[in-house]
Amino acid sequence: GAGVSQTPSNKVTEKGKYVELRCDPISGHTALYWYRQSLGQGPEFLIYFQGTGAADDSGLPNDRFFAVRPEGSVSTLKIQRTERGDSAVYLCASSTTSVGQETQYFGPGTRLLVL
Amino acid sequence: AQSVAQPEDQVNVAEGNPLTVKCTYSVSGNPYLFWYVQYPNRGLQFLLKYITGDNLVKGSYGFEAEFNKSQTSFHLKKPSALVSDSALYFCAVRDSTGTYKYIFGTGTRLKVLA
Repeated sequence: GAGVSQTPSNKVTEKGKYVELRCDPISGHTALYWYRQSLGQGPEFLIYFQGTGAADDSGLPNDRFFAVRPEGSVSTLKIQRTERGDSAVYLCASSTTSVGQETQYFGPGTRLLVL
Repeated sequence: AQSVAQPEDQVNVAEGNPLTVKCTYSVSGNPYLFWYVQYPNRGLQFLLKYITGDNLVKGSYGFEAEFNKSQTSFHLKKPSALVSDSALYFCAVRDSTGTYKYIFGTGTRLKVLA
């Protein structure tokens, strides 16, 4: 079956611009996660959705970052006034939330480069 | 606050030898522990997890991990390494009493030498 997909696969933008990154989770997965992975680091938690609501957004670095999941499926991560330090691979993952079944399935990521 | 540590940036092992990749964690409640692998230019793939039950967990590709509560560790092991096991390995933890917020380690690069 189809896995988690993310678009675009690569995004180059200029400092100060606005970007949107999209994630299509596995059908039926109620949980959706966004992570940021910088070079040589592990995935850094940004936000977790349970259905349409953000259950935990404690990882968002500042108010330039925002994410939505209006219909409980596709999610969009939005970054305003991008900075060079935002350059990273942004990963999306989805899972069920049944205890013991919470394996996360990751997408291929969006590589963001802010010039 | 929850945290996870992978003390080795890189582990080198000869093909056919046993391998161990180390992970220690800190959580307030009971830990849910995971190992993921990342191959070059590919996404993170699930290997195995410990939620409850037997301390020895078996996963994909012949990997296993042992949950040790007293040492707060969850080391990844394989009895006989393959060159194709060479990749980047990440340990992750979630506090069972918290939200579904996962903390990942910084990763350990495994290099299996022919």
